[in-house]
Amino acid sequence: DAKTTQPPSMDCAEGRAANLPCNHSTISGNEYVYWYRQIHSQGPQYIIHGLKNNETNEMASLIITEDRKSSTLILPHATLRDTAVYYCIVRVFTSGTYKYIFGTGTRLKVLA
Amino acid sequence: EPEVTQTPSHQVTQMGQEVILRCVPISNHLYFYWYRQILGQKVEFLVSFYNNEISEKSEIFDDQFSVERPDGSNFTLKIRSTKLEDSAMYFCASSFTGGAIFSNQPQHFGDGTRLSIL
Repeated sequence: DAKTTQPPSMDCAEGRAANLPCNHSTISGNEYVYWYRQIHSQGPQYIIHGLKNNETNEMASLIITEDRKSSTLILPHATLRDTAVYYCIVRVFTSGTYKYIFGTGTRLKVLA
Repeated sequence: EPEVTQTPSHQVTQMGQEVILRCVPISNHLYFYWYRQILGQKVEFLVSFYNNEISEKSEIFDDQFSVERPDGSNFTLKIRSTKLEDSAMYFCASSFTGGAIFSNQPQHFGDGTRLSIL
């Protein structure tokens, strides 16, 4: 099972910030949080990842709470092209490698 | 920016036939993966591959499935005798790191092959 929980859907007005929450209450101290999105049936697109400090790149910002049990992905000025399913992932380490266990994600709809 | 490429984008095959899905991972990446997504369902892990051998495989990855890195650039998924329930999107991914406990480089995914079994 996925180690994260996310709301199934959210709406956001175009031009406004989209704040997508994720709970990962069982995360351990050295596990990263990864965010991806999937537009239609395209391949999951990497957005950002972090351990405990807030992170920002050209696509988004990631805010991780101090206890690391939850995080928020922020798209600062959402556009119609940001409509997608967003996945928050904590990797699972078994048999010497990491793998992703995807949940159902949050379906973000950006409204004109 | 380098990307993972997959071919073909759509494959239609008769049930019982063999199919090979092809992937070209990012060139300096060392870890390779296959995932699948049945229409309307979650993305599911199939297999991870490192140093020319399978690192882990899921319950889905039974004896009908195999993976290979036949040369320095391609990574393939073969389904020996396809079944109707193999119809899905198949995604290849690669990452530079993936085995060390403190490695954190993300996996990068291709746009997938839609496999339709008739």
